[in-house]
Amino acid sequence: KAGVTQTPRYLIKTRGQQVTLSCSPISGHRSVSWYQQTPGQGLQFLFEYFSETQRNKGNFPGRFSGRQFSNSRSEMNVSTLELGDSALYLCASSFRSGSINEQFFGPGTRLTVL
Amino acid sequence: AQSVAQPEDQVNVAEGNPLTVKCTYSVSGNPYLFWYVQYPNRGLQFLLKYITGDNLVKGSYGFEAEFNKSQTSFHLKKPSALVSDSALYFCAVRDRDTNAGKSTFGDGTTLTVKP
Repeated sequence: KAGVTQTPRYLIKTRGQQVTLSCSPISGHRSVSWYQQTPGQGLQFLFEYFSETQRNKGNFPGRFSGRQFSNSRSEMNVSTLELGDSALYLCASSFRSGSINEQFFGPGTRLTVL
Repeated sequence: AQSVAQPEDQVNVAEGNPLTVKCTYSVSGNPYLFWYVQYPNRGLQFLLKYITGDNLVKGSYGFEAEFNKSQTSFHLKKPSALVSDSALYFCAVRDRDTNAGKSTFGDGTTLTVKP
């Protein structure tokens, strides 16, 4: 079974631009979560989607948004990029939403904002 | 609110020796607890989880973890460390009672196993 895939793997943008990251979960998984990983803040939860609905949201500004499609693929969008948005963005999928399920992570998208 | 503390940024052990990576948690309800490992330039890999039942949980690659409710701890252990175990380890908690999909992670502990 193929793992979680994320595209692109690397991205360089400049301040003020916007970016869209994509995540394809493991086949059959319907829950997708997004995390931001930085050396200073560690792993921070962005949001979780299940069956095209946002189930949980972390403490990030409205510039960070996401969506999930009917095939469970998910995208996250960051508008008006800031230098502090430079991070590794990780997507994780699980069979269904709910706290009992472990998550399977993709390799991440490394975003650099110049 | 939920939180996780990994009190050691770095753990160094010699190959063949036992290892322990510490984790304590705080959650308003009952916890589900997880350990993940991250290798350089890779995403996180699931190692093991505590849901209910036996306090000693066995996971991948010979790792195990002991849930201690009174001490709110979930330390990761391995009887005999390998050089290939060197990686970044994360403990995570979820609140069972809210059934929420949000995981709160610790800051990570870098494990270095020396030959």
